[in-house]
Parts: sequence; C-alpha cells; structure tokens
Amino acid sequence: QKEVEQNSGPLSVPEGAIASLNCTYSDRGSQSFFWYRQYSGKSPELIMFIYSNGDKEDGRFTAQLNKASQYVSLLIRDSQPSDSATYLCAVLSGSARQLTFGSGTQLTVLP
Amino acid sequence: DTEVTQTPKHLVMGMTNKKSLKCEQHMGHRAMYWYKQKAKKPPELMFVYSYEKLSINESVPSRFSPECPNSSLLNLHLHALQPEDSALYLCASSQVTGRSYNSPLHFGNGTRLTVT
Repeated sequence: QKEVEQNSGPLSVPEGAIASLNCTYSDRGSQSFFWYRQYSGKSPELIMFIYSNGDKEDGRFTAQLNKASQYVSLLIRDSQPSDSATYLCAVLSGSARQLTFGSGTQLTVLP
Repeated sequence: DTEVTQTPKHLVMGMTNKKSLKCEQHMGHRAMYWYKQKAKKPPELMFVYSYEKLSINESVPSRFSPECPNSSLLNLHLHALQPEDSALYLCASSQVTGRSYNSPLHFGNGTRLTVT
C-alpha cells in the first residue's frame, strides 16, 4: 500500500465549477498535510497546509482534514483555466521526518 | 517570485563532467533539502540538512555529493552522472520546529539537468 495515494486523473471540470481533489494516507501518526500546485515544467508551489481536523479556507481554496478516516482533500471553488495543473498532496508522517508526496492529480479546467 | 533561488536553470553535462548546482535562501530557514523529480512523477527526497549538518541521505549514489557551506547556501556536486540522472533537481527550505519538520517546504524553481 502506498503511503500517500491520490487519483492520478486527469480530472476535468468546467470553468466556474468546484474541483475536488482527494488524498488518503496510511500512517495514523501523520501530523501535517500540504497541498502543492505544479505547472508543467515548473516547481511545486505551496497552496495550503492544514494540521487540525476540519476545514481551512483561503480564498477560493479549502483544505479539509479527517484524521479518523485518514483523508485530506482540496476544494477549488470557481475554477479557472489558470488552475489547470498537477496538484500534489504531501504528508508529514509521525515516524518519518520528511514529507511523503502522493503521485499527484492532474486537473484541467475547461473554458 | 520564489524566495529560494537555484542556479543554473538549465544544465547539460557529459558523463565525465563535474558540475555543481547551487541553492540560496534568505528566509532564515535552518532546514534545506534536495529533491529529484522525473517527468510525471512526484519529487523524491535526496538529502536533508538541518542546521548545516546532513541529517538525511536517502541512499543516494555517491556521484551526488551535497554540501551546506552556511545556513543560506546549499550545493549539489555532480560527477560521473548517468543519462538516467537527467531530471528536474529541486532545492527547498523550511523552518525547523522541535523534532518535526512540520513547517511547509518552500521550493526553488529547479535546475533542469540533462546528462548526455
């Protein structure tokens, strides 16, 4: 079982819709959770981080964490074509002292 | 613009060459990282420095040699690389809090390396 799993996609949504990206993790001791956006040929860019159960909102982005179910999600409201990118979920496990990345979900927002 | 600066942006080298990748950050972060990323794959951790000391080496071949001259600089020395080492090399930095590296990583723009 992979430590951090994401649907690879591609996920396509129409402009203005809500994009929902999901991530599950295997280590119950995981402490910190991050979402990065990566455009093709570019480096990952931090979008959100969340440490506590519940929702965390920042503009059009909402991160949701459910430690009991071991999943973290990212919602993008009012999706724009500029949101088209690969979204990487990263988890800091309880035992390891470094991030484990999921394989990424490719999102395409259609005009 | 990223606050972690990497040079060069692109590098083409032969298998017998020696080259170095450089990374600089001025955010006061005391943890610095090297990652390798192949196309359509997530970043893979190579090395972690904490307070200028190597704390994690993910079994990286010795043809990659990291160096942390001071708290702001991180180098990756390359020697006798193979074509399969061609990838995007990413530097990152973060704060160090307690025993966990739970602050976000901030990535540089990367160096696109091609080994011929």
